[in-house]
Amino acid sequence: QAQLVQSGTEVRKPGASVKISCRASGYLFRDFFIHWVRRAPGHGLEWLGIMSPSGASATYAQNFQDRVTMTGDPSSTTVYMELSDLRSDDTAVYFCARNPTGDATWFDIWGQGTQVTVS
Amino acid sequence: SYEVTQPPSVSVSPGQTATITCSGDKLGEKYVSWYQQKPGQSPALVVREDSKGPSGLRDRFSGTTSGNTATLTISGTQAMDEADYYCQAWDKRTVVFGGGTTLTVL
Repeated sequence: QAQLVQSGTEVRKPGASVKISCRASGYLFRDFFIHWVRRAPGHGLEWLGIMSPSGASATYAQNFQDRVTMTGDPSSTTVYMELSDLRSDDTAVYFCARNPTGDATWFDIWGQGTQVTVS
Repeated sequence: SYEVTQPPSVSVSPGQTATITCSGDKLGEKYVSWYQQKPGQSPALVVREDSKGPSGLRDRFSGTTSGNTATLTISGTQAMDEADYYCQAWDKRTVVFGGGTTLTVL
């Protein structure tokens, strides 16, 4: 079945960077965008950006434009999200989620989440 | 930037109908999706494109939109429906989530 599997828990110090992976399987990779969303303690879901399946383009949320980089490797059906200059308020669970290409507006499958702790 | 607003919490008795609202400027002109998130779990899609279930079939979760408000309705609410619920829309190639509503089944 279709699934997204993310890399494991990360702990970083303030000012460092973190790179999380999201590997897709069980579906045609090129038919879905991959988004990154986080949930910090005591907060709701927050969108970080979208990655095209080809890995050729990404659009980032305004709040993260200068700190986030999304890349992709279609050959391994894996997408990466790197967040730099980490602060304590970046402590959160980070999720990848897929969104059908075309006019679809929803996320139907989510990764299991990656805990990032900045301390 | 575009914002959508949800009530922080909603309470409902078992077996009753729960309604959760999501408001934003001209929200009725956009497609709205709804997600359920339980503690320690990933979000799960419960309604897409305003009113469709994840598989295109309706179950106890349904959605409507009108004007500036989208509404998620849960019929015959059960204890297992206790969770945080989020609305989501697109605005100018970016994704927006509401702040989330905690549903308590008393």
